[in-house]
Amino acid sequence: DAKTTQPPSMDCAEGRAANLPCNHSTISGNEYVYWYRQIHSQGPQYIIHGLKNNETNEMASLIITEDRKSSTLILPHATLRDTAVYYCIVRVRNDYKLSFGAGTTVTVRA
Amino acid sequence: GAVVSQHPSRVICKSGTSVKIECRSLDFQATTMFWYRQFPKQSLMLMATSNEGSKATYEQGVEKDKFLINHASLTLSTLTVTSAHPEDSSFYICSARDPLWDTQYFGPGTRLTVL
Repeated sequence: DAKTTQPPSMDCAEGRAANLPCNHSTISGNEYVYWYRQIHSQGPQYIIHGLKNNETNEMASLIITEDRKSSTLILPHATLRDTAVYYCIVRVRNDYKLSFGAGTTVTVRA
Repeated sequence: GAVVSQHPSRVICKSGTSVKIECRSLDFQATTMFWYRQFPKQSLMLMATSNEGSKATYEQGVEKDKFLINHASLTLSTLTVTSAHPEDSSFYICSARDPLWDTQYFGPGTRLTVL
């Protein structure tokens, strides 16, 4: 599977947009980009996923570059409850396994 | 999003006993479920893939005789930690794949402490 690279930590201001980067330079054409987050001592929560087009749902937006080598998760208006570890995962279309890296620890500050 | 439950949320047991953890998909049928383990300050590690009606597939280094997995229905998978020891103390998390959305949804996790 293609690997992802994320910054280990980020601070964000409450009420502002939070932009979380992810590099996946070896991604192949049949691999999706998934984003999950894990709030302390809970199971991961699904956020969004995409293949090559930008995606938006009630939680976030996912922007994938045209060459698909990187993506950005955007939380439009960060709140204190968005403090969590965010995982960017690349998954092969017909292999349902998810491989979790270290993720980005996002701290939203008032 | 879809709902996946786990029971119990927390369990404390004595060394040498067995512990069963249940994972249920509440609003969709899951032909595939997964079991993960997470040690403090570490990321999730996949232990095994559970397919309804067939034997589980274990990741390298995971003892299948120690971590028994049963996926008897489309909404229930169980993980039994047999002859638990203190080093098995961990946070165990299941997930279920919703085939309609091709997405895994995770349970809230089970904190196992072996004394």
